[in-house]
Amino acid sequence: EPEVTQTPSHQVTQMGQEVILRCVPISNHLYFYWYRQILGQKVEFLVSFYNNEISEKSEIFDDQFSVERPDGSNFTLKIRSTKLEDSAMYFCASKNSPSGANVLTFGAGSRLTVL
Amino acid sequence: AQSVSQHNHHVILSEAASLELGCNYSYGGTVNLFWYVQYPGQHLQLLLKYFSGDPLVKGIKGFEAEFIKSKFSFNLRKPSVQWSDTAEYFCAVTLGNTDKLIFGTGTRLQVFP
Repeated sequence: EPEVTQTPSHQVTQMGQEVILRCVPISNHLYFYWYRQILGQKVEFLVSFYNNEISEKSEIFDDQFSVERPDGSNFTLKIRSTKLEDSAMYFCASKNSPSGANVLTFGAGSRLTVL
Repeated sequence: AQSVSQHNHHVILSEAASLELGCNYSYGGTVNLFWYVQYPGQHLQLLLKYFSGDPLVKGIKGFEAEFIKSKFSFNLRKPSVQWSDTAEYFCAVTLGNTDKLIFGTGTRLQVFP
């Protein structure tokens, strides 16, 4: 079964450092997403991406965050200057149509710890 | 604001016990409803979904859920749980034709042999 793969599985960084989380979506999917889950809290939508541009973003996704599809296979989330409150599990997801009835396939997540 | 509520934060059961996890959403329009499961150390996996039609939907691993529109609920059930069902369970919705998933806070299920 096709999978969404994420790297790294766990990253520890110092506050103020830049972090890039990588995702390889399923190959025929065109719609890409990042969600995050702070420990003990609900999974929250960050951003959706289609046709090389952001479709929608949440209020969490401020100027410190950016997404990119640099080479046609990877989909990255960059945090420019990490804060303590960015510590969370970040999930990448993809699907092949924008319909709300279409099912997202999630990756296993990248755990980010900001010290 | 639209939200999804899961009232059971942590459920502990013995094997063979029956399971029902509550999920309520606050939105008056058309919704698509999902239950996802996250086994320890693994990714979120779809258990089942409801878009339209029969409000009782069956998913993988013997799980089912019933959409009750009048109660804005989509409770997850399993008649007899197994130790391997130990996981975190998330209810989620998309609203109308939007594709942004709104998640509940999750329910941690522990099943003891």
